[in-house]
Amino acid sequence: AQSVAQPEDQVNVAEGNPLTVKCTYSVSGNPYLFWYVQYPNRGLQFLLKYITGDNLVKGSYGFEAEFNKSQTSFHLKKPSALVSDSALYFCAVRDGTNDYKLSFGAGTTVTVRA
Amino acid sequence: EAGVAQSPRYKIIEKRQSVAFWCNPISGHATLYWYQQILGQGPKLLIQFQNNGVVDDSQLPKDRFSAERLKGVDSTLKIQPAKLEDSAVYLCASSLELGGNQETQYFGPGTRLLVL
Repeated sequence: AQSVAQPEDQVNVAEGNPLTVKCTYSVSGNPYLFWYVQYPNRGLQFLLKYITGDNLVKGSYGFEAEFNKSQTSFHLKKPSALVSDSALYFCAVRDGTNDYKLSFGAGTTVTVRA
Repeated sequence: EAGVAQSPRYKIIEKRQSVAFWCNPISGHATLYWYQQILGQGPKLLIQFQNNGVVDDSQLPKDRFSAERLKGVDSTLKIQPAKLEDSAVYLCASSLELGGNQETQYFGPGTRLLVL
């Protein structure tokens, strides 16, 4: 079985400060990991993914994420947050070895205050 | 490049009625997905198509939900009869292929369903 945990329901940061959104996962095989962002009344937008290769993945809008196999984590980061980054963020995982089904976390609401 | 299209955007029905949602994926995308997103939760996969064949429908409540992708392009998801707990946003997504770098999923805006 595969699962994703996003331990924080909400993250609040000031504009210009670093932003981190946490994600841990559980799969029996090799993880394929994704981050998506959702704005109100919109579908999910793809930010970045890790399948193989460098542990540090760079994505859209200045976001990056670091794959840590020993800690089974894939935290999303942005060095300097913008008010426009306020949204709902989802981490997702699938077992790259034996399944094509993507499992999503419950989401983390990010609020960036001016 | 046009994104994933879905219609309608909103639908209100009474319980026991039927409803259908339509999705047109990004041109050339072989894989199509339907998700259910209940308020406060992440999306849950209902069914996954590769061209016009079903890859996974293990989480589709088959007693009331059905989906088809007859020509391997657009798709329809139907609920009959609807229950109160079906109130959710129904998201459609598509990807070029299954597996590897081609499997990034791109989502439509969703259909918000309210069952009264």
